[in-house]
Amino acid sequence: GNSVTQMEGPVTLSEEAFLTINCTYTATGYPSLFWYVQYPGEGLQLLLKATKADDKGSNKGFEATYRKETTSFHLEKGSVQVSDSAVYFCALVILTGGGNKLTFGTGTQLKVEL
Amino acid sequence: EAEVAQSPRYKITEKSQAVAFWCDPISGHATLYWYRQILGQGPELLVQFQDESVVDDSQLPKDRFSAERLKGVDSTLKIQPAELGDSAMYLCASSLETGRKTQYFGPGTRLLVL
Repeated sequence: GNSVTQMEGPVTLSEEAFLTINCTYTATGYPSLFWYVQYPGEGLQLLLKATKADDKGSNKGFEATYRKETTSFHLEKGSVQVSDSAVYFCALVILTGGGNKLTFGTGTQLKVEL
Repeated sequence: EAEVAQSPRYKITEKSQAVAFWCDPISGHATLYWYRQILGQGPELLVQFQDESVVDDSQLPKDRFSAERLKGVDSTLKIQPAELGDSAMYLCASSLETGRKTQYFGPGTRLLVL
């Protein structure tokens, strides 16, 4: 089956530090990959996506590259802010005749301190 | 910017009672999803609709959960009777059509069963 593995949190960083959140996947087929962000008490917001190998998704200073050879989609940001504190979910979707559900990782909590 | 609407945002109920959640997808989105997110975990799909038809309800506990999308627009998810283990965040998402991979989420309904 399909699965997503994320690094465990919480990840605690100082403001302006470099961020990496690791994500690897297992998929039967060719998935599209996503990062979603969830702020406390809220739903999920799409952060970025990539639909084919070597694509780089980017948004709000975050970026991730679809690496088929290593089945990875690591999230990076060069300089984090306190406002980036949230839970980040890596996810994949494969289109099938039975639907296209998102398969999520367990989430990684990021805490950014002054 | 168009958004997925959900209500209520919070619901507290006693076990054995019935609860219902409502979702209005982004206008024009044919595909609607209900996910359940247990605290500390990633969301898991309960049911997917294409217009008014169910595409995937393989993970829906059909003895107590039901979902409908009668006119292919808004949707209702019902639990009867609620159990303690149903305490979770219930997220609704929509996409333009099943073939489109990007899903947009609403703010969620947080359910607490006492």
